[in-house]
Amino acid sequence: DVKVTQSSRYLVKRTGEKVFLECVQDMDHENMFWYRQDPGLGLRLIYFSYDVKMKEKGDIPEGYSVSREKKERFSLILESASTNQTSMYLCASSFRGLNNQPQHFGDGTRLSIL
Amino acid sequence: QKEVEQNSGPLSVPEGAIASLNCTYSDRGSQSFFWYRQYSGKSPELIMFIYSNGDKEDGRFTAQLNKASQYVSLLIRDSQPSDSATYLCAVNEWVTGGGNKLTFGTGTQLKVEL
Repeated sequence: DVKVTQSSRYLVKRTGEKVFLECVQDMDHENMFWYRQDPGLGLRLIYFSYDVKMKEKGDIPEGYSVSREKKERFSLILESASTNQTSMYLCASSFRGLNNQPQHFGDGTRLSIL
Repeated sequence: QKEVEQNSGPLSVPEGAIASLNCTYSDRGSQSFFWYRQYSGKSPELIMFIYSNGDKEDGRFTAQLNKASQYVSLLIRDSQPSDSATYLCAVNEWVTGGGNKLTFGTGTQLKVEL
């Protein structure tokens, strides 16, 4: 079974803090993704990576950065947290280059910025 | 920006009935399509994928694809209360420079009533 592990299920931080969300997968997937999910807005892609040290902007990258130093780990960084970044954050991974490979999701991190 | 459209619902069906969930997509070149189920407060889980025109069956689930009409659907036979969830449609998209990602619809909420 594919395992995608996010470091925290719930996280509370303060405005202006630098926040790190960590994601680790154990299936040797090339692709890794960070989404946020808000009621009525669905899954929105923040950043993704298709190889170590590679990153691509998604639909809503503003206020976020990412790091992929090892194949199995993909970190999302909120440079200076703001209240509008309160959300559910989901990490996913998949194989690269195959048309029918699904993404596998972690359990999510519910982040509250106070 | 590729688009994936779903009716947000809620779609209410009686227990034992067939639930029909629909999805349209904008990119005529899209080749593979995924259905995910998401329970409230949980992360999305893969139900099935389809990439050939026609029907694909897996237990009580049938995915239907019509590329000419840019339409994909999910049928759930003998609906159970445990099927009550939000169903996400996703379309594979290739990324310039390598890698691939999924574009998700906003989901249809299904309620199966006793």
